[in-house]
Amino acid sequence: DADVTQTPRNRITKTGKRIMLECSQTKGHDRMYWYRQDPGLGLQLIYYSFDVKDINKGEISDGYSVSRQAQAKFSLSLESAIPNQTALYFCATSEGSSNQPQHFGDGTRLSIL
Amino acid sequence: AQSVTQPDIHITVSEGASLELRCNYSYGATPYLFWYVQSPGQGLQLLLKYFSGDTLVQGIKGFEAEFKRSQSSFNLRKPSVHWSDAAEYFCAVLSGGSYIPTFGRGTSLIVHP
Repeated sequence: DADVTQTPRNRITKTGKRIMLECSQTKGHDRMYWYRQDPGLGLQLIYYSFDVKDINKGEISDGYSVSRQAQAKFSLSLESAIPNQTALYFCATSEGSSNQPQHFGDGTRLSIL
Repeated sequence: AQSVTQPDIHITVSEGASLELRCNYSYGATPYLFWYVQSPGQGLQLLLKYFSGDTLVQGIKGFEAEFKRSQSSFNLRKPSVHWSDAAEYFCAVLSGGSYIPTFGRGTSLIVHP
């Protein structure tokens, strides 16, 4: 089983719909992250959380919200989806000490029509 | 502030040829450096990391990278490329006081038979 699991893997939806992307991990890591990937732009950080009671905005948080339901679960919501949120979304985790590498899920491909 | 530049958007090599992917970073002190690989339909996987010590680091899948402080570079190399190495490669930097890495925009590796 994957250490970092994202659901769904693919989603097609319409403008204005509310969407939730889920991430769960079995690595026991405290830190979790949501990224967006667009072709040629690399990874852009949306939100991150260093423990269950900690939520921080990343560089592109507008239009997104998150919930850290437990150490192992971190969900990303689009309250009212718009076409320019069409992208590949990744969840990642890392250990609580600094300077550790991140571990990524396989991504959710989201298309908003 | 930390930043990362991957000058090459695409690199094409023949199978069996050597490979070097470039990465330049901007950060005042010694950074923590990472290379990740993203195969189609998958998340990013850590290839190798540099924290301190020996400037030539070995990673998985036969890759290595060399940290050169004088050139602010951390280039990824492989002596003989296999068709399965075709993927997107990302360099990332993490400064000593930050908990959030900065990713380069990626280099797409194409391998010709």
